[in-house]
Amino acid sequence: DAGITQSPRHKVTETGTPVTLRCHQTENHRYMYWYRQDPGHGLRLIHYSYGVKDTDKGEVSDGYSVSRSKTEDFLLTLESATSSQTSVYFCAIRSSPSGGANTGELFFGEGSRLTVL
Amino acid sequence: QKEVEQDPGPLSVPEGAIVSLNCTYSNSAFQYFMWYRQYSRKGPELLMYTYSSGNKEDGRFTAQVDKSSKYISLFIRDSQPSDSATYLCAPYSSASKIIFGSGTRLSIRP
Repeated sequence: DAGITQSPRHKVTETGTPVTLRCHQTENHRYMYWYRQDPGHGLRLIHYSYGVKDTDKGEVSDGYSVSRSKTEDFLLTLESATSSQTSVYFCAIRSSPSGGANTGELFFGEGSRLTVL
Repeated sequence: QKEVEQDPGPLSVPEGAIVSLNCTYSNSAFQYFMWYRQYSRKGPELLMYTYSSGNKEDGRFTAQVDKSSKYISLFIRDSQPSDSATYLCAPYSSASKIIFGSGTRLSIRP
């Protein structure tokens, strides 16, 4: 168990409303990631963080913002949700290598299923 | 061109068959080649990885990398119904963001 919790796990909302998804980790890892997964597209990187207040964009960052005010929490916000943002969102953490190889192994949460009507 | 291309499937084979899953990539800087397995309604989990070119075997699973042709393969021998899942390749280097292939959905028929 990598100690990652996503909330909410399921959410239905209407177009134009703001939505915040939360990712919480108990392992004190530096790197955290938000991906979305859609049929035919696999996992696409939205944003990632490499430390408190340090974030960067991924492949599909338009319409999303993130914040990381403490190590354990990484928030993904949709300022004004659209139907194209209906998806399953996965948070992931990457452990920092401690004498081992930096393989880039990610540990994923269980996912947050968002439906925008 | 996408950095990672993967046959989307779906792929359906009978139990006991040998399965071959494949990806191609474009960035020659990739050093680690990861395979993740994702069961329905779950997050992906690392299945195995290889470093640089060559083969790596883990039980019924063999990962193969050919850096000269930028081709990644995962072979499953004696496939079981419990192997039914989506398999995602994820090549990586320390200088790169972690990106994934689109995933291949595999179904093993009893």
